Amino acid sequence: EPEVTQTPSHQVTQMGQEVILRCVPISNHLYFYWYRQILGQKVEFLVSFYNNEISEKSEIFDDQFSVERPDGSNFTLKIRSTKLEDSAMYFCASSESPPLGNEQFFGPGTRLTVL
Amino acid sequence: KQEVTQIPAALSVPEGENLVLNCSFTDSAIYNLQWFRQDPGKGLTSLLLIQSSQREQTSGRLNASLDKSSGRSTLYIAASQPGDSATYLCAVRPNYGQNFVFGPGTRLSVLP
Repeated sequence: EPEVTQTPSHQVTQMGQEVILRCVPISNHLYFYWYRQILGQKVEFLVSFYNNEISEKSEIFDDQFSVERPDGSNFTLKIRSTKLEDSAMYFCASSESPPLGNEQFFGPGTRLTVL
Repeated sequence: KQEVTQIPAALSVPEGENLVLNCSFTDSAIYNLQWFRQDPGKGLTSLLLIQSSQREQTSGRLNASLDKSSGRSTLYIAASQPGDSATYLCAVRPNYGQNFVFGPGTRLSVLP
């Protein structure tokens, strides 16, 4: 069964460093998303991406964040200068086109720890 | 702004019991609602997706209902098993956006 994959499963970094989280969405999906979950808190939407551009983003997704689809399979989330409060589980998701009404499939997550 | 709540926050039941998890949302203008399961430290597994025009969806021992006008959804689990132990998340997609708004989850423990 097709699934969303994410690498790495766990990333440890120093405050101020750049990190790139990687995702491979389901191959025939066209809409991609990033969510995060701070330990003990709700899952929060960060950004959605379609046709090589951001289609929607939340207040959390500030200038420190960026997303990219560098090739036909990968979808990445970059945090330019990590802060302690960026420590969280980051989930990638994808859905078929159109997104409205369609199920979102989530990856296993990347646990980011900022020291 | 859409807010999603889930009751109870935690639930512990003996194996074999039927149980109901509740989800409430403040704005009835939604496209759909999705129930997920999350195991500790793991990702989200989709369980059921209900479109706004639907009243319920069933998959195996799971049945989810939606009452959009009252802002409520329930997840019914029949004949619970220890393997059902996990956190169950409810998420709604508002019709003004593409993202999901998640509830805080219900942590379920099914005791053998």
